[in-house]
Amino acid sequence: GESVGLHLPTLSVQEGDNSIINCAYSNSASDYFIWYKQESGKGPQFIIDIRSNMDKRQGQRVTVLLNKTVKHLSLQIAATQPGDSAVYFCAENPPNWGKFQFGAGTQVVVTP
Amino acid sequence: DAGVTQSPTHLIKTRGQQVTLRCSPKSGHDTVSWYQQALGQGPQFIFQYYEEEERQRGNFPDRFSGHQFPNYSSELNVNALLLGDSALYLCASSTLRGIDNQPQHFGDGTRLSIL
Repeated sequence: GESVGLHLPTLSVQEGDNSIINCAYSNSASDYFIWYKQESGKGPQFIIDIRSNMDKRQGQRVTVLLNKTVKHLSLQIAATQPGDSAVYFCAENPPNWGKFQFGAGTQVVVTP
Repeated sequence: DAGVTQSPTHLIKTRGQQVTLRCSPKSGHDTVSWYQQALGQGPQFIFQYYEEEERQRGNFPDRFSGHQFPNYSSELNVNALLLGDSALYLCASSTLRGIDNQPQHFGDGTRLSIL
């Protein structure tokens, strides 16, 4: 079946730098997207969402960009901190579906 | 305000046994979804419950079944356990309000190990 995929399985970032995590989604009909952060031993934690009628949304230190033309999603984290070390997932929600489709995730490692 | 709670946190079973996992949704949420997460992979959708009925189902065999109670809590049952059922089982809750595209909030999961 269709699935969400990520370009980079592991991203190493120096503390204080900005991080960019990329995601390619497969279902062109998907109209809602969420970025989740998952720390070891915990469930996915909601970071930010975006609907298909938007191309950018900002939160606290995070920005999500959506490019529907190329079915691409990205998460930007400003001034990356050690607490940002985790696996990040993008998830897509096709219309009329309750489920979210996740990719394998990107491991972000923040180095001092 | 309590978030999504799941029990137990860890469980060890043997092949062929049956297991029941439990989930209490976040306060104010009426919809519960269950996901299976194998090690190193993203969560895979099992099914979703709303108004005590299975609303949607992913590509999982009938050995996986569920239930939702009037208080919106939910159970996931797995029969005839296989080694491949070893995974983290996640519950996510949301509020449907008759539409989709609502954020799902996850619990910390139940780690199920099959020996």
